Amino acid sequence: AQSVAQPEDQVNVAEGNPLTVKCTYSVSGNPYLFWYVQYPNRGLQFLLKYITGDNLVKGSYGFEAEFNKSQTSFHLKKPSALVSDSALYFCAVRDPHYGQNFVFGPGTRLSVLP
Amino acid sequence: NAGVTQTPKFQVLKTGQSMTLQCAQDMNHEYMSWYRQDPGMGLRLIHYSVGAGITDQGEVPNGYNVSRSTTEDFPLRLLSAAPSQTSVYFCASSDDRGSTYTFGSGTRLTVV
Repeated sequence: AQSVAQPEDQVNVAEGNPLTVKCTYSVSGNPYLFWYVQYPNRGLQFLLKYITGDNLVKGSYGFEAEFNKSQTSFHLKKPSALVSDSALYFCAVRDPHYGQNFVFGPGTRLSVLP
Repeated sequence: NAGVTQTPKFQVLKTGQSMTLQCAQDMNHEYMSWYRQDPGMGLRLIHYSVGAGITDQGEVPNGYNVSRSTTEDFPLRLLSAAPSQTSVYFCASSDDRGSTYTFGSGTRLTVV
């Protein structure tokens, strides 16, 4: 079965500093990997995805993620954090066992401090 | 506005009551899904549908029923509510390539 781990419940970073939110995965076959963000009392919003191709994927709001097959990781990064980036971030992988629906990680809460 | 609409936004139920959470999308998407979100557990798949008349179980289907009579609507029914079903419920849809899902804004359900 597919699974996703986000080893950090909480990440704190100062505004203007680079941020990283970690994700590792366990899948059979080629992984289809996604990052979603959830702002308070809102649904999930798509940030970026890796299907195939370049290992560095660029997404919305200046975020990017690097796919590393040998380390089975898909860490989310941003060069300069904004206070408005504070939210709950989910890494997810598609699962063919469930009709290509997502298996989500537990989420990482990012706090960007002014 | 195109998107996924969920109703109600909030609901309080007594143990043993039944109710239906509504989900509608106007993007002509074939794929629709229901997830529940619990603290520290991410989102877990309850049921999903790959088209009208076709539904299947996800990771946590017990206590829930679904049907898909039209492409637009995918209601989730709680048969006999239990406190363990207190959660935030999200409906999502995607096109038949399934590359990106659009999520509704959620229904916060409390069972007392």
